[in-house]
This record gives sequence, C-alpha cells and structure tokens, in this order.
Amino acid sequence: SQTIHQWPATLVQPVGSPLSLECTVEGTSNPNLYWYRQAAGRGLQLLFYSVGIGQISSEVPQNLSASRPQDRQFILSSKKLLLSDSGFYLCAWRERGQGKGELFFGEGSRLTVL
Amino acid sequence: SQQGEEDPQALSIQEGENATMNCSYKTSINNLQWYRQNSGRGLVHLILIRSNEREKHSGRLRVTLDTSKKSSSLLITASRAADTASYFCATDSYSGSARQLTFGSGTQLTVLP
Repeated sequence: SQTIHQWPATLVQPVGSPLSLECTVEGTSNPNLYWYRQAAGRGLQLLFYSVGIGQISSEVPQNLSASRPQDRQFILSSKKLLLSDSGFYLCAWRERGQGKGELFFGEGSRLTVL
Repeated sequence: SQQGEEDPQALSIQEGENATMNCSYKTSINNLQWYRQNSGRGLVHLILIRSNEREKHSGRLRVTLDTSKKSSSLLITASRAADTASYFCATDSYSGSARQLTFGSGTQLTVLP
C-alpha cells in the first residue's frame, strides 16, 4: 500500500533562518507531488507541484522553493524565512494522468517563524 | 486562487441530526471532491463525483453536483461526535501541464454529543 511521510511535524524558526521540509512517498511510482500551505482556519493554497524528477511548477511568487531530486521525494526550502511563511504545510501525491484523481496527504508540518 | 467556496463557514448540530454543506465554484471541472480534516492533521479524501454525475453515495455521505449552477452539496446523515472536523470541497481541473485540485476555505462542523 502507498504511504506518505512528511517531516518535521513541527518547527519553530527565527526570521532569516533557512528551511527544509521533506516529503517521501512509498508504494507508488511516477506520482504527481504537491506542496500546499494552510493558514489558520483557512483553505489550502497550492504552492508547488511536480510531474517528474527535476520538474517543478510554482503557483504563487514567494520566498520558498521546491525540488524533486528523486521520483518519490519532494523538498520545500527557503534560504531566509519571513514571518509570513508561518503556517501549516502539507505534502500530497496522486496518480499521474487519468488516475482516480484523489489526493493523498501527509500529516503536515507546522512552521512558526518568530 | 481558491475556486471552491463552502457554505456555511461553521455549522454546529446535535448528534443524530443531518449536516449539509454547500460548495460553489467558478470554472468548468473534471470532477469535484470532498475532503475531511481533523484539527492539526492532514486531509483525508471522502468522495469524488465526476462532472457527468449528479449524485453519489458512500455510507452516510451523499454528494450532489449541479454543473449548471456550479455547485455541490455534501450531506452527512445521522451525524456522530466523531464527524467533528473541517470539510473541504476541491475542484479538479487542468491548469498548465497538470491536473490540479483547488480547495475552498472549508466548513467547520461541530457535532455535539
């Protein structure tokens, strides 16, 4: 069965520090991968998606970047965090192409920038 | 941008009652999906309804889709305290080179025992 792991679960970082959130998927190959951010009490905002190794599409201009060094690994990074980067970050995957269409989410990473 | 918008933003009901949540969207879709999120957790997929379907059932869940009105509803029958969570609709459509899901801002459902 497929599983998705996301870490760390929580972190508190000072403004200006770097960030690295990691997500790995097991039990599937060639998935589409996504990073979402959720502000408190709000819906999800799509940040990045990837349809293959090294292929990253950004949905919104921001202080963050994403990379996909391996087929089942998706990394969210920042060189210098801003206060506005605080939030709940969710990694997700789904089958490529005309698959069932549902997204499978990780448990999330709560980032607080002070 | 958020395409789906849920209504109401918050809903509080007694155990055993039915809960209805609505979702409106703006552009054409391949399908519409509903997700559930317990506080501080990831989202879990509940049900998917395709653009050529009008109604779908899964256990105590009933979803309707009206593409002419660009709206959907999620009905949870005989609610339980364990149904307390946030519920999100998400529209599935093509954007750029990939299919994407666009989420609404959610309905916070509280089921009182």
